[in-house]
Amino acid sequence: EAGVTQFPSHSVIEKGQTVTLRCDPISGHDNLYWYRRVMGKEIKFLLHFVKESKQDESGMPNNRFLAERTGGTYSTLKVQPAELEDSGVYFCASSQEEAGAETQYFGPGTRLLVL
Amino acid sequence: ILNVEQSPQSLHVQEGDSTNFTCSFPSSNFYALHWYRWETAKSPEALFVMTLNGDEKKKGRISATLNTKEGYSYLYIKGSQPEDSATYLCAFIKPGGFKTIFGAGTRLFVKA
Repeated sequence: EAGVTQFPSHSVIEKGQTVTLRCDPISGHDNLYWYRRVMGKEIKFLLHFVKESKQDESGMPNNRFLAERTGGTYSTLKVQPAELEDSGVYFCASSQEEAGAETQYFGPGTRLLVL
Repeated sequence: ILNVEQSPQSLHVQEGDSTNFTCSFPSSNFYALHWYRWETAKSPEALFVMTLNGDEKKKGRISATLNTKEGYSYLYIKGSQPEDSATYLCAFIKPGGFKTIFGAGTRLFVKA
């Protein structure tokens, strides 16, 4: 069974540019989560999808971040326009059922550097 | 504001030593606690999902306990090996939503 995959693995962009990150969850997993780790800090929750619906997006930093999961399969996280403080590692995770008490399987992350 | 605290921040042990770390979380409004093992440049790997007070879980040389009344969980590693070197993260989930709150982690270094 394929794990959670993320693309790209690394991205270096200039301030003001747009970047779109993609996450493919494990097939059949309804729950998909986005997290971010800024250097030296804890992993922070961004948002949670159940299928195509956003269940909780309270962790999204501001309106420069837009997450979508059309069709309830893969998800994208777009940052527009990117700022320096957006640099960090963006993780995606998925779980099969009952978010919270189910194991979350993490992807390898996308390392974003905004210059 | 919910705080999840992990201690110690880092730990250096010799191969063969047994060790343990602590994760403290709010004792009210508990739903679940997750433990992860995370090697730099890799994905966090799920170790345990704990939901009931008094839970004890074991996976090989690693085990964990949960006390929801006092708001802490311990992770134990018996006979540490160099390959156990990693950051161990705990993550707290409260009911009514599934926002996961991570601790900063305990960085374990095991010297051969």
